[in-house]
Amino acid sequence: QITLKESGPTLVKPTQTLTLTCTFSGFSLITSGLGVGWVRQSPGKALEWLALVYRVDDQSYRPSLKSRLSITADNSKKQVILTMTHMDPVDTGTYYCARMMVVGATPAFDYWGQGTLVTVSS
Amino acid sequence: DIQMTQSPSSLSASVGDRVTITCQASQDITNYLNWYQQKPGKAPKLLIYDASILDTGVPSRFSGSGSGSDFTFTISGLQPEDTATYYCQHCDHVLRGFTFGPGTKVHVK
Repeated sequence: QITLKESGPTLVKPTQTLTLTCTFSGFSLITSGLGVGWVRQSPGKALEWLALVYRVDDQSYRPSLKSRLSITADNSKKQVILTMTHMDPVDTGTYYCARMMVVGATPAFDYWGQGTLVTVSS
Repeated sequence: DIQMTQSPSSLSASVGDRVTITCQASQDITNYLNWYQQKPGKAPKLLIYDASILDTGVPSRFSGSGSGSDFTFTISGLQPEDTATYYCQHCDHVLRGFTFGPGTKVHVK
């Protein structure tokens, strides 16, 4: 059974660094074609991809946020960690981690965590 | 960067209706397109990948088509549980960029 679950603070202050952990089970990041990504959703807004770790040590980031983001994976612990620096109230939203799989030809997020709401406020 | 647009932004239809959503990419993306359903307060769910292939367990009333830059998502025989926001999504084949469309909110009367 494949599961993912996000954990981390629900409230951060402006300028602080956010650290979120995705704990997953039922798959291995060393398997070809698999990765874990982070997607966020501001209240009432669309989904926004943030970062992806692929096969443990290959990372990619949303270009506009690349300077603020870091994603790392520990396959033995079954965890993926996202850090985002210089948090701002506009970063308030629900943060999802999701398994990425190259299902056919198109990389897709086929399993998702329940999401964690992060509020940025002083 | 590839941009994705969707239309309409929202629609309301009755049970049993056929509804169609379009997604347009700013350039040719062959068939590198997925569709997701997100119900209120829930995580998204993958429905269709490679533009037209239903993911496992997805009801056959959902379908997708298209290639190049123009894509269509259809629900044939709308059900009350189909009330949700639907997103198209593209990723380049080197995993360097995932782009979601702005979403289409579907309300079943």
